[in-house]
Amino acid sequence: QQQVKQSPQSLIVQKGGISIINCAYENTAFDYFPWYQQFPGKGPALLIAIRPDVSEKKEGRFTISFNKSAKQFSLHIMDSQPGDSATYFCAASISGSEKLVFGKGTKLTVNP
Amino acid sequence: DAGITQSPRHKVTETGTPVTLRCHQTENHRYMYWYRQDPGHGLRLIHYSYGVKDTDKGEVSDGYSVSRSKTEDFLLTLESATSSQTSVYFCAISYRVGNTGELFFGEGSRLTVL
Repeated sequence: QQQVKQSPQSLIVQKGGISIINCAYENTAFDYFPWYQQFPGKGPALLIAIRPDVSEKKEGRFTISFNKSAKQFSLHIMDSQPGDSATYFCAASISGSEKLVFGKGTKLTVNP
Repeated sequence: DAGITQSPRHKVTETGTPVTLRCHQTENHRYMYWYRQDPGHGLRLIHYSYGVKDTDKGEVSDGYSVSRSKTEDFLLTLESATSSQTSVYFCAISYRVGNTGELFFGEGSRLTVL
């Protein structure tokens, strides 16, 4: 059973546009929600993360929005650039547990 | 650079043969993980370790075993490789005790089982 559902599977955005990737979860015990970015041939790298005590976290052009009641969180990439083209994974974990659960990933393509 | 080295980076083997993948870290972190990545499945945890000789199963552990005899090395073994184990395998380390959110990944080992 997939614990974190991610959509869309792929996304094409024009340069300068906004990229939005959504994730939903069922387990209300999750209390840490990171996003990872992966370029071809590389391992995933932590991009930004949020805890449920805040509704939004922003780092540069990247913003996580978190809706605890809906059990959803999303990644917004403002002013998307071709260099942002990568696969993005949302994830969730429970503090004290060693098991990070990943979504299936979204392949983002930003056209010049 | 989190100081993680995976070897081999690429391997082609035949069904039924044993395969061992190695993850080596240089920063003495306690927690180490093995994930596999497959199209349409994302990243799935195979096994993890929380210290020397201390390991536990993840969600897709069948057909895999692990060993950690030294802090710096975490080995993943496929005792008898099958075609369904064709995948990209990632090792990861955690920088925080009890917090799995901040993982740092190696560059992966691509395994093809014919």
